[in-house]
Amino acid sequence: AQSVTQPDIHITVSEGASLELRCNYSYGATPYLFWYVQSPGQGLQLLLKYFSGDTLVQGIKGFEAEFKRSQSSFNLRKPSVHWSDAAEYFCAVGVSGNTGKLIFGQGTTLQVKP
Amino acid sequence: NAGVTQTPKFRVLKTGQSMTLLCAQDMNHEYMYWYRQDPGMGLRLIHYSVGEGTTAKGEVPDGYNVSRLKKQNFLLGLESAAPSQTSVYFCASSSGQWDTEAFFGQGTRLTVV
Repeated sequence: AQSVTQPDIHITVSEGASLELRCNYSYGATPYLFWYVQSPGQGLQLLLKYFSGDTLVQGIKGFEAEFKRSQSSFNLRKPSVHWSDAAEYFCAVGVSGNTGKLIFGQGTTLQVKP
Repeated sequence: NAGVTQTPKFRVLKTGQSMTLLCAQDMNHEYMYWYRQDPGMGLRLIHYSVGEGTTAKGEVPDGYNVSRLKKQNFLLGLESAAPSQTSVYFCASSSGQWDTEAFFGQGTRLTVV
């Protein structure tokens, strides 16, 4: 069965520092992977997605993620964090079959220190 | 450009009461979903629909019912609310292919006392 694990529940970084949020997945075939961001009191917004091809994908707001099949990982990165990046981040994998269902990780809350 | 709209945004229920959450999307999406979000557990799928008139169970369907009478609307019902149903509920819609983006509403915070 597919599953997604985000090992870090809470991360604090200083503004301007680099960021990496970890995501590990369990899936038998080539996964469809997503990163969503949830700002306080808001719904989820798609940051980026990976289906195939180049393993380094670019997203909105300066985020990127790298798919590593050998490590079953899809880590999210940003070179320089801004205070407005404080939010909860979810990694998700698309469920096989043509239903569009997603399996989410537990989420990582990012706090940005001034 | 509304996208996905959920009503209400907040609600407090007493144990045993019933209520319906409404989700409306204006993107002509075939597929719609109801998730619940609980601390430390991410989002879990309650029910989903792959088209008007169809519904299917997700990961945590017990205690909930759904209906999709119109393509643009997806209703989530709680017949007899329980404290364990205290959660934030999110509706989402997509074109259905598993490689496409799901669009989410802003959520409904439900407290059952």
